[in-house]
Amino acid sequence: EVQLLESGGGLLQPGGSLRLSCAASGFTFSSYAMSWVRQAPGKGLEWVSAISASGGSTYYTDSVKGRFTISRDNPKNTLYLQMNSLRAEDTAVYYCVKDRFVGAPKFDYWGQGTLVTVSS
Amino acid sequence: DIVMTQTPLSSPVTLGQPASISCRSSQSLVHSDGNTYLSWLQQRPGQPPRLLIYKISNRFSGVPDRFSGSGAGTDFTLKISRVEAEDVAVYYCMQATQFPYTFGQGTKLEIK
Repeated sequence: EVQLLESGGGLLQPGGSLRLSCAASGFTFSSYAMSWVRQAPGKGLEWVSAISASGGSTYYTDSVKGRFTISRDNPKNTLYLQMNSLRAEDTAVYYCVKDRFVGAPKFDYWGQGTLVTVSS
Repeated sequence: DIVMTQTPLSSPVTLGQPASISCRSSQSLVHSDGNTYLSWLQQRPGQPPRLLIYKISNRFSGVPDRFSGSGAGTDFTLKISRVEAEDVAVYYCMQATQFPYTFGQGTKLEIK
């Protein structure tokens, strides 16, 4: 059974930093790309970042470029999102999502999400 | 960026009746590999999203056959043949043809 378990969310002030983690199990983690998707309270879905299976290619939405860094540790089956210079508009539930850059299905499994709240 | 536009944004439906949601993309979603990476997701209240349909019309594992997807190029449709109470949710279309991946605004399916 595929499982994605996010952790690391919390309440912090604008300008702060946070690292989210996603522990994956039930599939060959090193064979799949992964993405982070966020959802602000009461709002829709927004793709944030993606990383290739090897970690050699990364992609970001414009609003987080230069502030967020996606990475992975394949031997540990773990995905990360380092979030710096946080802003109030980064407040959201962050979901870890199983992805693939070639072929389909993409986004076939989602974690339960971790809430990040940026507020003074 | 590819803009995904869903209609309607809210859809009151009678149990047992069909429902339909449209999604239009601002440009073709045909990938250079020949595939069209248009998916439909369902998000029930308090739950993470769940994949229903991928590559326009392929039902994901465990998805009831009352859900179907169709379309091509820039116009796509999700249909529910007979709405059940458990289908109350927000439905999103999503393109994964080109970065940044983008989602529609979501369509809230409600029971009349």
